[in-house]
Amino acid sequence: DTEVTQTPKHLVMGMTNKKSLKCEQHMGHRAMYWYKQKAKKPPELMFVYSYEKLSINESVPSRFSPECPNSSLLNLHLHALQPEDSALYLCASSQEFDRDYNEQFFGPGTRLTVL
Amino acid sequence: TQLLEQSPQFLSIQEGENLTVYCNSSSVFSSLQWYRQEPGEGPVLLVTVVTGGEVKKLKRLTFQFGDARKDSSLHITAAQPGDTGLYLCAGEELSGYSTLTFGKGTMLLVSP
Repeated sequence: DTEVTQTPKHLVMGMTNKKSLKCEQHMGHRAMYWYKQKAKKPPELMFVYSYEKLSINESVPSRFSPECPNSSLLNLHLHALQPEDSALYLCASSQEFDRDYNEQFFGPGTRLTVL
Repeated sequence: TQLLEQSPQFLSIQEGENLTVYCNSSSVFSSLQWYRQEPGEGPVLLVTVVTGGEVKKLKRLTFQFGDARKDSSLHITAAQPGDTGLYLCAGEELSGYSTLTFGKGTMLLVSP
């Protein structure tokens, strides 16, 4: 199994809503990532978890709250988002985080629209 | 922060033509990954190059890593409409944590 799955595929939410994005991988990878991607732009790193611990937070606003319940799952909790947060949210995983030659495999993404 | 310059940004060609996409940096990378992304989907890993001077082939796609591991190229021979998509290069930093530095991407449109 070389797949990263993400749910939901699409999400529309109001600025007062609370929602969560989910990501799962069964490749035995110990590093998982959240990226945000705007149209026609490259992905921007948001968070990195290594061995279920938060290793990197790229100065992301607190309205985004990541969670790693176990080594296969990664969540992104959303609360009080702004319309400019509308984007494609990508999850990725890699075998490790602190080693050279570390291929990242991406999920299909969640298209988020904030009204 | 390492920068990765990718060119061209847009490329519109006819089926059967050849093309080359370039990624250049002044910094050395431990590896460089090439992805292809279709609209509304996640990037799909095409290849990873690790050794300076390395050449890898994937059907009609040829990837090369520069001798100094600062640049890379993707050459497509006889492009097909199915090659249409956003091509992203991403360099893995040399030391410490393996975050990726992405190029801005090349949007390729291959018309029949």
